[in-house]
Amino acid sequence: DTAVSQTPKYLVTQMGNDKSIKCEQNLGHDTMYWYKQDSKKFLKIMFSYNNKELIINETVPNRFSPKSPDKAHLNLHINSLELGDSAVYFCASSPTGVYGYTFGSGTRLTVV
Amino acid sequence: EDKVVQSPLSLVVHEGDTVTLNCSYEVTNFRSLLWYKQEKKAPTFLFMLTSSGIEKKSGRLSSILDKKELSSILNITATQTGDSAIYLCAVEARRMNRDDKIIFGKGTRLHILP
Repeated sequence: DTAVSQTPKYLVTQMGNDKSIKCEQNLGHDTMYWYKQDSKKFLKIMFSYNNKELIINETVPNRFSPKSPDKAHLNLHINSLELGDSAVYFCASSPTGVYGYTFGSGTRLTVV
Repeated sequence: EDKVVQSPLSLVVHEGDTVTLNCSYEVTNFRSLLWYKQEKKAPTFLFMLTSSGIEKKSGRLSSILDKKELSSILNITATQTGDSAIYLCAVEARRMNRDDKIIFGKGTRLHILP
């Protein structure tokens, strides 16, 4: 009964490949997020979706495309992977108007 | 099961007050504890703590780790309205023969009244 689940937990892939990371939350939250944590522990917000609408789209390359088929899912698709995409990607969710984030356990992406 | 608990969940104080935010954890193979300030658009990395009892400072912010109590506090003195944000605590844990995993708390929402 994991609240925010991400798959896969680990992903090792070659440069140039296309990959997807999936995220699902069963908390009934309205907002979901994707964050990228780099090797220096800096956490950068990439996207935020509220009720299936994109509300934040930070300056990430357009190789990254979020897809939200419904408010319980926010998937991240990455085209033409580059070495610099190697990082840990976190999905999170929060309820609208109420504070409190719930984070997934992260997906460690390694591009070789 | 590994977990990170932050308290309080929400805090409202007046400008100039000092606040203390708490983070407690239960993890196997603790490696480090991280604090972030989450504002509207982007989280800011504040501190990484690995050693117990050594205070880290950055301006009006300071943090200390207590490995015996499995907790950390984040202090903000002379608060300003710009300190209003959600403060996230996360703990890195080493997994046997694998990479670290990171567990986040739910955050403390701090609101500073002018």
